[in-house]
Formats: sequence, structure tokens, C-alpha cells
Amino acid sequence: DAGVTQSPTHLIKTRGQQVTLRCSPISGHKSVSWYQQVLGQGPQFIFQYYEKEERGRGNFPDRFSARQFPNYSSELNVNALLLGDSALYLCASSLGGSDGYTFGSGTRLTVV
Amino acid sequence: GQQLNQSPQSMFIQEGEDVSMNCTSSSIFNTWLWYKQDPGEGPVLLIALYKAGELTSNGRLTAQFGITRKDSFLNISASIPSDVGIYFCAGQLKGGAQKLVFGQGTRLTINP
Repeated sequence: DAGVTQSPTHLIKTRGQQVTLRCSPISGHKSVSWYQQVLGQGPQFIFQYYEKEERGRGNFPDRFSARQFPNYSSELNVNALLLGDSALYLCASSLGGSDGYTFGSGTRLTVV
Repeated sequence: GQQLNQSPQSMFIQEGEDVSMNCTSSSIFNTWLWYKQDPGEGPVLLIALYKAGELTSNGRLTAQFGITRKDSFLNISASIPSDVGIYFCAGQLKGGAQKLVFGQGTRLTINP
């Protein structure tokens, strides 16, 4: 079975641009979460979606948005990119209970 | 953003030595998780703890969920070169967004 897949793996954008990151959860997993990991830090929670509904949002500005599709895949959108948005963006999926999340390999976003 | 206090930040040990790292929080968590992250990859779940006082092993790894539910430790016995990487603790609250709150990580380096 495929694990959590994220695309693209690497991305370079210019300040002010918009970016869309994509995530496909493990088959059968209905919960998808997004995390931002700045170099040298632990991941920070951005969003959680379960059954296509937003279940939680971290302390991130409104420039960050996400959605989950009927097939449980998800997109993270970031508008008006800032240099500080440069990070590894991780997607994690779970069955939806209190079980541990399985993470993808992430998308490395560099804003120049 | 919110993070757990994880220590030590880095460790330099000889192959074969035992390793111990811990995580503390001012908040109570219902679940404690330990992840390992290799360069260019997402975190991989090592051990999940669901009950206060629980002691769980996974091969050479042993982790405990503190009685106060505000702390956890991870021990690695007889370290080997493939143990090199960054170890993260994460706490999870039950209900709501079920977001993970991560520590800052412990970077483990092993001298052969």
C-alpha cells in the first residue's frame, strides 16, 4: 500500500505569489492534517480535516487555507507568500481516532 | 507556536551506548507519541503511548507516559549507526482537532 504522498517535493516561489500543495492520504484514512516545519524546529499544526470538514486550525494567518476532497485528498493553499513561509510542509493522515498519524515526506517550499 | 520542552537538544555518543531523552509540558496530554525524522523525510512513528504510567517497548526502544500526563521519556539501548537522526516527542489532546504539539527535537549523532 502506498503511504502518504505529497506533491510537489520541492518548490521555489517568489514573494507575493500563491502556492498550492497537494496530499493523498493512505487508502482508508479519512483525516488529513497539515504541518509547517521550519528548519531546526518541530512541526507546527496548521489544519486538520476529517470527512471533508475543517476540524481545527492552528495559529496561522488567513493567507493559509485548505480543503479536503470527496476522495479524502487535500490541498493546502498559501497566498501572498512571505520569505518566512519557507519551510517543509508536511501532510499526515490517520483513520480519524486517537491513533498516531502517518506523515508524508513533505514539500520543501522556498520563497525568494 | 506551542511546543513541548524536549531535552537534550543534541547528543553525541559512541556506538553501543544507551540514549535517553525526555519531554515535558505545562499542559496535560491524552496521548504521547515519539517520532524519528531522517533528512529529507517526514517523521516516522516509533512508539505511541495512550495511558498515564504506560511503559511500552519497540525493539531497542522504550518509552513511558508520565503519571502526571505532562511528560514522557524515550530510551534507546545499545545504539547502532542507523539510530542517527532527529527524534521528536509529540503530545495529542483527545477530541476537537486532535492536533499534535511537537517538541523541538533531539539530534542524535553516533560515533562508530
